[in-house]
Amino acid sequence: DGGITQSPKYLFRKEGQNVTLSCEQNLNHDAMYWYRQDPGQGLRLIYYSQIVNDFQKGDIAEGYSVSREKKESFPLTVTSAQKNPTAFYLCASSRSNSNYEQYFGPGTRLTVT
Amino acid sequence: RKEVEQDPGPFNVPEGATVAFNCTYSNSASQSFFWYRQDCRKEPKLLMSVYSSGNEDGRFTAQLNRASQYISLLIRDSKLSDSATYLCVVTGSNYKLTFGKGTLLTVNP
Repeated sequence: DGGITQSPKYLFRKEGQNVTLSCEQNLNHDAMYWYRQDPGQGLRLIYYSQIVNDFQKGDIAEGYSVSREKKESFPLTVTSAQKNPTAFYLCASSRSNSNYEQYFGPGTRLTVT
Repeated sequence: RKEVEQDPGPFNVPEGATVAFNCTYSNSASQSFFWYRQDCRKEPKLLMSVYSSGNEDGRFTAQLNRASQYISLLIRDSKLSDSATYLCVVTGSNYKLTFGKGTLLTVNP
């Protein structure tokens, strides 16, 4: 089955700890994205990558970091510098053209206390 | 004007009703438009793309008015399973999608 997987589904961390969220896709998509969603809010773009070994900041990149060493994988690290890390994190992928629709993974709910 | 603005909702309708969602966008250079649905605590899923000529998929009809920068989604004969949040999505530059906040629909028996 082709798709996007994110793990884990739920993640709990103590304040001050860095945490890495996994995102893998086997759709052979070139572009991958990370969003966060807060209650009552639209999705906000954190980082995106159009090609391996290249990525760009989205609208709310502060306190986050990413890597894109493989086409299939785009992990997101939530660092201790992120002031409000508790959120629903969604990974998506699309073909390389901006007019192509994005497909989402099931998401990771991160709770930091 | 906000980048993507949707009816705030929520909409509560009986089964079998017809319901319409409206969305406006601010970037006149936007090229692609989509409707996604998102079930509670789940990821958004693509419902349909929106084409300039309008398009229909079963009970769902999407329309685009570029002059007015307006997108709509019509659901006919609504089912209980249509209950979800509907997200209006517009592409901008650099592969970015801009999402509306969504409109919650509840279809009641």
